[in-house]
Amino acid sequence: GAVVSQHPSWVICKSGTSVKIECRSLDFQATTMFWYRQFPKQSLMLMATSNEGSKATYEQGVEKDKFLINHASLTLSTLTVTSAHPEDSSFYICSAMGLPQETQYFGPGTRLLVL
Amino acid sequence: GQQVMQIPQYQHVQEGEDFTTYCNSSTTLSNIQWYKQRPGGHPVFLIQLVKSGEVKKQKRLTFQFGEAKKNSSLHITATQTTDVGTYFCVVAGSYQLTFGKGTKLSVIP
Repeated sequence: GAVVSQHPSWVICKSGTSVKIECRSLDFQATTMFWYRQFPKQSLMLMATSNEGSKATYEQGVEKDKFLINHASLTLSTLTVTSAHPEDSSFYICSAMGLPQETQYFGPGTRLLVL
Repeated sequence: GQQVMQIPQYQHVQEGEDFTTYCNSSTTLSNIQWYKQRPGGHPVFLIQLVKSGEVKKQKRLTFQFGEAKKNSSLHITATQTTDVGTYFCVVAGSYQLTFGKGTKLSVIP
């Protein structure tokens, strides 16, 4: 079946640094990728929708300049958390939607801890 | 690691029929969440269950958490075409999310 990978699975960084998270669809082309954020034991919160070759659409309340999303190819989207702060510590999950747009496949998630 | 099995993978029902999807785990779950994803959309949070034997209702949707906290179900009474989509169960632990594979519901008018 379709597989979506994320890298890294865990990242610990110092406050003020930037962190890049990669989301790859391994055996299908993903025209749309979604980025979610989840705090412990809370629900997924959609951050942005990323379409290949165009600018991401951010949900209300999500800072575009802080969470940079790039969807440069049909198999790769990246989320960069710029100038990370401790409150950005969270679980970031991507999902990818292939053609035809029926099923969404989730990545395994990336745990970010900002010290 | 923790695994959650969700069945069935697909379900086709006539409009007005009931629908149920199940999530099962071999380990005790701290909680379970249910999401609905409409075709072409992103998963939308429906509900979270945390207590043993908990039952919650949202209009025609009934969510149950097993007494042993190892299984959960989502039941839709008298399905409508607006119920079409994929329903996911998700276990939201402190350090990881575990997803069911989802049940794709088709409703025949």
